[in-house]
Amino acid sequence: GESVGLHLPTLSVQEGDNSIINCAYSNSASDYFIWYKQESGKGPQFIIDIRSNMDKRQGQRVTVLLNKTVKHLSLQIAATQPGDSAVYFCAENRYSGGGADGLTFGKGTHLIIQP
Amino acid sequence: GAGVSQSPSNKVTEKGKDVELRCDPISGHTALYWYRQSLGQGLEFLIYFQGNSAPDKSGLPSDRFSAERTGGSVSTLTIQRTQQEDSAVYLCASSRPPNMGPPGGRSYEQYFGPGTRLTVT
Repeated sequence: GESVGLHLPTLSVQEGDNSIINCAYSNSASDYFIWYKQESGKGPQFIIDIRSNMDKRQGQRVTVLLNKTVKHLSLQIAATQPGDSAVYFCAENRYSGGGADGLTFGKGTHLIIQP
Repeated sequence: GAGVSQSPSNKVTEKGKDVELRCDPISGHTALYWYRQSLGQGLEFLIYFQGNSAPDKSGLPSDRFSAERTGGSVSTLTIQRTQQEDSAVYLCASSRPPNMGPPGGRSYEQYFGPGTRLTVT
């Protein structure tokens, strides 16, 4: 099974509120994490990434927090807008026979913005 | 610049027929990935190419699924004798060579195409 999972399949928030999407991972050797946003009918798009030597990284209206002690990752979206409605996936770098290549994706959280 | 493209965007086929799905990665991206996404589900890894070779085929669900990549660029995913459970969106992604990440480390960012929606009737 997948080593990356999410606590909630659906998250509903009011427009203008902050959103927090959580993710758990199990591979302590993972050193890179990434969040993707997938809008309906489209492929996933990069939001933000973070390396294991950091515990926080900020982008435009988004912040990713990494807690390696409990193997937990979160994505915070400030002042959510209707355009933030999408499915959000976390992913960690994936190890195969060829070494650390590729990504293992979590199951996704559907973020719904209420007007 | 041009992103990852996939064709066709939609494919409806009868059970038992073979289908071919095509992926054109971003120029210069040596790694190419195929994923399957069922309705409302996450991304299921199928196969990974580095150049023309496929070091990891572990995600292919059965021997009806195969993929190839020629010239280190275009890839084709073939599903033989399609079944209704094969209905899904098939996503392709590509990424840079490992030594072309940002300063401070490798980047594993994958760039996704829009997907091919396959419906098996």
